[in-house]
Amino acid sequence: SQKIEQNSEALNIQEGKTATLTCNYTNYSPAYLQWYRQDPGRGPVFLLLIRENEKEKRKERLKVTFDTTLKQSLFHITASQPADSATYLCALSISNFGNEKLTFGTGTRLTIIP
Amino acid sequence: NAGVTQTPKFRVLKTGQSMTLLCAQDMNHEYMYWYRQDPGMGLRLIHYSVGEGTTAKGEVPDGYNVSRLKKQNFLLGLESAAPSQTSVYFCASSYGTGVGEKLFFGSGTQLSVL
Repeated sequence: SQKIEQNSEALNIQEGKTATLTCNYTNYSPAYLQWYRQDPGRGPVFLLLIRENEKEKRKERLKVTFDTTLKQSLFHITASQPADSATYLCALSISNFGNEKLTFGTGTRLTIIP
Repeated sequence: NAGVTQTPKFRVLKTGQSMTLLCAQDMNHEYMYWYRQDPGMGLRLIHYSVGEGTTAKGEVPDGYNVSRLKKQNFLLGLESAAPSQTSVYFCASSYGTGVGEKLFFGSGTQLSVL
């Protein structure tokens, strides 16, 4: 069966360091992968999308990579700040389908320690 | 700029009671979705709509009904609530459903069924 795993439930990183979150998948051939941020008591907010034929995407301090051979996406936050503390969700959609076939991971709770 | 608005934010029901969750979006989006989020599980799609007057089943539709009488509103109904429906419910919308269409989420409804 198809499965998405986000590396750990919780991750603590010292302020100023780079935080790296992992999203692994099995039995998928995703067309694209999205990353969302979710704060406590709020809905997820879209951050970045990367397509299967793209290796890397950047947005300000955020970087996403997509390795279809390793079946893995890495999400990096450089120069991390306490305000980056949140839960980060990855979501995959398989080829030829849109958001109705978007599958979410369980999320990684990131805490940036001052 | 309200985006996606969900009402109510909290609700406690007794087993067997019914209720309706309302989702409204002001972005003129065609597509709307209802998800549930449970601890240790990713967001799971309950039902979705690809336009006014249309609805379709998602991954976990049993025990729920939906209606999309107006483009801006998407209602989720529980006819006879069960404790297994205790969850946080999120509504989302997107302009389309093709590759790259990001989801806009509401703030969620926390539902407890006793």
